[in-house]
Amino acid sequence: EVQLEQSGAEVRKPGESLKISCETSGYSFTTYWIAWVRQMPGKGLEWLGIIYPGDSKTRYSPSFQGQVTFSADKSITTAYLQWSSLKASDTAMYYCARHIYDSGSYYYDYWGQGTLVTVSS
Amino acid sequence: SSELTQDPAVSVALGQTVRITCQGDSLRSYFASWYQQKPGQAPVLVIDVKTNRPSGIPDRFSGSRSGNTASMTITGAQAEDEADYYCNSRDSSGNVVFGGGTKLTV
Repeated sequence: EVQLEQSGAEVRKPGESLKISCETSGYSFTTYWIAWVRQMPGKGLEWLGIIYPGDSKTRYSPSFQGQVTFSADKSITTAYLQWSSLKASDTAMYYCARHIYDSGSYYYDYWGQGTLVTVSS
Repeated sequence: SSELTQDPAVSVALGQTVRITCQGDSLRSYFASWYQQKPGQAPVLVIDVKTNRPSGIPDRFSGSRSGNTASMTITGAQAEDEADYYCNSRDSSGNVVFGGGTKLTV
């Protein structure tokens, strides 16, 4: 059974760093891309980008390039999303999802439960 | 632009049929997928890019595409279908975009 288990809710102050995780199981971690998706309070879904755990190749949304960093640890089949200096506007729910390529298009078949990040002074 | 446009809200009577649409230029070249999100829950894939339903998704959900518009239809809407629905697709650069979401009231 494919599962994506995300780390728990976090509260940080502006300017602080943070790394959240997405632990996967039930499939070959190194052969599927993993996506990160943001959902600000009361708003829609936004794509941050993807990482390929096989070689840690990444692709960032132009809107988030330079704002976040993706990484992956093959030994523990876990993907990470990190910030070096959080802003209040980073307050949101963050989801990881398995990224599927099919017929030239993409979709997300399995999702983590989400990690709520709150940035407040 | 690679934007996807959805109606913000749609309502349907119990047992009736409803179509939720997603418009965008990228849909002329690429396929859309659809996600259901209930309050406090993660999104769930309901229609993939080949208009297939994942295991566990009722067959009252179906997908289609025409021109620059992708559609998801619920035939015989149930109370448990009340949720937010999002489409997504890609652009020519390989970036992914989500529609703004449609709040379905049953």
